[in-house]
Amino acid sequence: AQSVSQHNHHVILSEAASLELGCNYSYGGTVNLFWYVQYPGQHLQLLLKYFSGDPLVKGIKGFEAEFIKSKFSFNLRKPSVQWSDTAEYFCAVNLPGYSSASKIIFGSGTRLSIRP
Amino acid sequence: DAGVTQSPTHLIKTRGQQVTLRCSPKSGHDTVSWYQQALGQGPQFIFQYYEEEERQRGNFPDRFSGHQFPNYSSELNVNALLLGDSALYLCASSLKGAGGGQPQHFGDGTRLSIL
Repeated sequence: AQSVSQHNHHVILSEAASLELGCNYSYGGTVNLFWYVQYPGQHLQLLLKYFSGDPLVKGIKGFEAEFIKSKFSFNLRKPSVQWSDTAEYFCAVNLPGYSSASKIIFGSGTRLSIRP
Repeated sequence: DAGVTQSPTHLIKTRGQQVTLRCSPKSGHDTVSWYQQALGQGPQFIFQYYEEEERQRGNFPDRFSGHQFPNYSSELNVNALLLGDSALYLCASSLKGAGGGQPQHFGDGTRLSIL
């Protein structure tokens, strides 16, 4: 069965530090990849997505992610974090070829805390 | 433009009871998916509705059932509640399209607590 692993459960950084959150998935075929973010008290929001093409994907708020097929990874990065980036981050996958919005498989999430 | 709305926000039930949660999709969306998010975990897919039929289902027992109405809104029903059903229940909507992978828009969720 397909699965998504986020190995960092809680990451604590100071403002202006660089961020990289790891994500690995288990599926041998073509996948669609997502990062969602959940700010405190808010609903899940799409940060960025990868369907095909350039493996380096840019999202909102200065985030980017790189799809490395050989490593089954889709790590999230940001060069310089801000206090407002404090949130829970979820990596997710689904399989193309199904009807729209087929089920999304989420990782367990990484809580990011930014020290002012 | 209204996003995904869910009701109620919070709900407290006791074991053995039944509960109904409601979801209105984002304007223009026709597909609704339900997820269960336990504390400290990522959302787990329950099922998806399109054209008033269940199209896909995750690994959840038959106690979990749903419905989609002609206006695309949806209900999630859970019977014979267990303590383990305590979680945040998320509704997500999207527009059916070819190729899959359409981003889903999530509601704020319903926090269900079982005593």
